[in-house]
Amino acid sequence: GENVEQHPSTLSVQEGDSAVIKCTYSDSASNYFPWYKQELGKGPQLIIDIRSNVGEKKDQRIAVTLNKTAKHFSLHITETQPEDSAVYFCAAAYSGGGADGLTFGKGTHLIIQP
Amino acid sequence: GAGVSQSPRYKVAKRGQDVALRCDPISGHVSLFWYQQALGQGPEFLTYFQNEAQLDKSGLPSDRFFAERPEGSVSTLKIQRTQQEDSAVYLCASSLPHSGRASTGELFFGEGSRLTVL
Repeated sequence: GENVEQHPSTLSVQEGDSAVIKCTYSDSASNYFPWYKQELGKGPQLIIDIRSNVGEKKDQRIAVTLNKTAKHFSLHITETQPEDSAVYFCAAAYSGGGADGLTFGKGTHLIIQP
Repeated sequence: GAGVSQSPRYKVAKRGQDVALRCDPISGHVSLFWYQQALGQGPEFLTYFQNEAQLDKSGLPSDRFFAERPEGSVSTLKIQRTQQEDSAVYLCASSLPHSGRASTGELFFGEGSRLTVL
């Protein structure tokens, strides 16, 4: 089955700086890579996703890059703000042939220092 | 409401008791997933339904765990003879109908049911 590794487990950055979280996956058949943000006491919420037919996707201050050859993908947050503080999870799945169940990484606790 | 609704939000059970956790998915979502999230960890897949059919239950940790979705909407996750290691947040998620490559893949999560087994 799929295995997703995520690092770092904790990331502290100054407000206004950029944050980068990296993930690797094991199953070359995976073709869908979402990122979820989880605030305390809430369920995970999708913030951005990328499919294997593109290498980069951007949405305002958030961008995701994918390297299929190396089987790794990254989340980039620019101009960080206090409300970006949360736990971020990467995930991978094969979407299109059956269940869209996701395999998650262990999460990155992002702390934005004022 | 418009989102995925789970109940109870918090459940404390004595070891050996049975518990039932309920999930109301978003209306029209035929796919429903249960995940288990231990403290400080990412969600781990338990089981998947498409309408009332349970298509994948490979993540259920033991035969004490049972899930159903008899009418293809509300789902219940039942844990029999609870053990301390069952303590976790149980997340339910639903997604748009799957239609091959047209599936968006986005899962909409509820806020979870936090189970504490004493």
